[in-house]
Amino acid sequence: GQSLEQPSEVTAVEGAIVQINCTYQTSGFYGLSWYQQHDGGAPTFLSYNALDGLEETGRFSSFLSRSDSYGYLLLQELQMKDSASYFCAVRVPRMYSGGGADGLTFGKGTHLIIQP
Amino acid sequence: EPEVTQTPSHQVTQMGQEVILRCVPISNHLYFYWYRQILGQKVEFLVSFYNNEISEKSEIFDDQFSVERPDGSNFTLKIRSTKLEDSAMYFCASSEALGQSNEQFFGPGTRLTVL
Repeated sequence: GQSLEQPSEVTAVEGAIVQINCTYQTSGFYGLSWYQQHDGGAPTFLSYNALDGLEETGRFSSFLSRSDSYGYLLLQELQMKDSASYFCAVRVPRMYSGGGADGLTFGKGTHLIIQP
Repeated sequence: EPEVTQTPSHQVTQMGQEVILRCVPISNHLYFYWYRQILGQKVEFLVSFYNNEISEKSEIFDDQFSVERPDGSNFTLKIRSTKLEDSAMYFCASSEALGQSNEQFFGPGTRLTVL
């Protein structure tokens, strides 16, 4: 089976930097994605790492270490609108796969609380 | 900006009834997905679809579930005989191609309530 571990809740101050960690145990692995979800909303794609290293997109960066089965999402210059849940998700080979579209396996999510 | 749309936004049904959830993926996308999220829990993969057939499915996607692309724009999820535990938010998603990012675009969801 697949399992992903991430903290259930993180609190940070507006303007600060926060890191959300994700460790995974999977049978097979293609890549690690991060999605943001506001209350009542749909998940929104933030980043994807297939190879080791850091990917930067504006205020958000994501890191992957395949050898450690570990990744993190780094959010800089936090704003109140960043208050949301953040999910790591993996692409893995599945029980039944005809090849093609890869469904994602999500972690339980980290609820990020931003304080003024 | 193109977006995935889903109808209805909220569906209430009696246990044992059939429901069909509808999605219109982004027009030039080739890969389609259904996920569900029970309230307060994680998003769970159900099924993916490519080239008019199921590409992958999870353990959740049993014989009670089916998907169809009845025309060039719609993508549907049918639950034949709903159970109480099917109550959840159902998200449709689509992606352009299996490129580097595998970015999946999610619709706003249909909240299914089974009574």
